[in-house]
Amino acid sequence: AQSVTQPDIHITVSEGASLELRCNYSYGATPYLFWYVQSPGQGLQLLLKYFSGDTLVQGIKGFEAEFKRSQSSFNLRKPSVHWSDAAEYFCAVGAPNTNAGKSTFGDGTTLTVKP
Amino acid sequence: DTGVSQDPRHKITKRGQNVTFRCDPISEHNRLYWYRQTLGQGPEFLTYFQNEAQLEKSRLLSDRFSAERPKGSFSTLEIQRTEQGDSAMYLCASSFWTGNPNYGYTFGSGTRLTVV
Repeated sequence: AQSVTQPDIHITVSEGASLELRCNYSYGATPYLFWYVQSPGQGLQLLLKYFSGDTLVQGIKGFEAEFKRSQSSFNLRKPSVHWSDAAEYFCAVGAPNTNAGKSTFGDGTTLTVKP
Repeated sequence: DTGVSQDPRHKITKRGQNVTFRCDPISEHNRLYWYRQTLGQGPEFLTYFQNEAQLEKSRLLSDRFSAERPKGSFSTLEIQRTEQGDSAMYLCASSFWTGNPNYGYTFGSGTRLTVV
């Protein structure tokens, strides 16, 4: 069964500092991987996705993520955080060899940005 | 297109009552998903439709839960005899599936259910 672990429940960074949010997945082959962002009381917005090819993926809002097969990781990064980035971030994995398209989500990392 | 719409945004109900939520997906999307999210957790898959066919239901979805997508457009999720444990955010998402990889969902803003 596929699973996702986001080891950091809460991260605080200063505005302008760099950010890395960790995501580890469990799956028997190369999965489809996603990062979503959720603002309070809102649905989730897709930041970026990885299916195959280049292991460094660019997304919206200046985010990028790197797929590392050897570490079963898909960490999200941003070189300079803005106050508006404060939100909850979810990593998700989808199984490519099924037809369902459903995803398994991690429990999220809450990002606080200090001025 | 205004994205995925969910109605109502908030619902407070007494234990034992029935509730129904509605989701209007992006019009050209043929797949529609329901997820449930409780505080401090990520969304959990409940069920999904391709057009009007319900193709999978999670074991999380007890017999008190039923979902429909009668014409392959909007969907409803009904919970009968609500329990306090049903309190959660119910998220709807849609996607366009052509047999190619899942390109990720477009989520609605969710319906927050509180059972008192």
